[in-house]
Amino acid sequence: DAMVIQNPRYQVTQFGKPVTLSCSQTLNHNVMYWYQQKSSQAPKLLFHYYDKDFNNEADTPDNFQSRRPNTSFCFLDIRSPGLGDAAMYLCATSRDRGTTDTQYFGPGTRLTVL
Amino acid sequence: GQNIDQPTEMTATEGAIVQINCTYQTSGFNGLFWYQQHAGEAPTFLSYNVLDGLEEKGRFSSFLSRSKGYSYLLLKELQMKDSASYLCAVLDSNYQLIWGAGTKLIIKP
Repeated sequence: DAMVIQNPRYQVTQFGKPVTLSCSQTLNHNVMYWYQQKSSQAPKLLFHYYDKDFNNEADTPDNFQSRRPNTSFCFLDIRSPGLGDAAMYLCATSRDRGTTDTQYFGPGTRLTVL
Repeated sequence: GQNIDQPTEMTATEGAIVQINCTYQTSGFNGLFWYQQHAGEAPTFLSYNVLDGLEEKGRFSSFLSRSKGYSYLLLKELQMKDSASYLCAVLDSNYQLIWGAGTKLIIKP
């Protein structure tokens, strides 16, 4: 089945230790998104790729970086995780950025920072 | 600023009907989405409205009034598995999704 896959589902890291989360998709969608979601809060968009065009949200901390080496894969790098970065990280894709292009989400990676 | 408002929590009884409201103020409007999110899981798409009126999809219906900046999600014949958070999101003029914080729906037997 075509889908959005995230690995790992659960990630534990130590304060300040770099971590990389991965997302892959078999939908052949042009757009990939990374969201951060904390408990009982709305998902917060960190950045998105439209094909290879990288779009960073103005309030995304420099501590967060992203790479999209090809259409199928996208990575989220957290260079020096702090306790406040503990959250669910959601990857989503959409065919395009038009009005009817629904975003489809992966299962998420829950990050714990010790 | 951009704002999406929805109730924090609602409780309903199995077999009943519940309506979850969403009001929005955004820079532009290119459609409104409802997503369902079970605890610890990713959001899953429920519905999309861009024109005024009611869209029905099985037990779930979604209504939109653009002039009032208002939408609701109607769930009929509630089942225990419907216990989840329901997120309202608006696609703004830059085609960015603006998300509400979600309404936690608790279903009681």
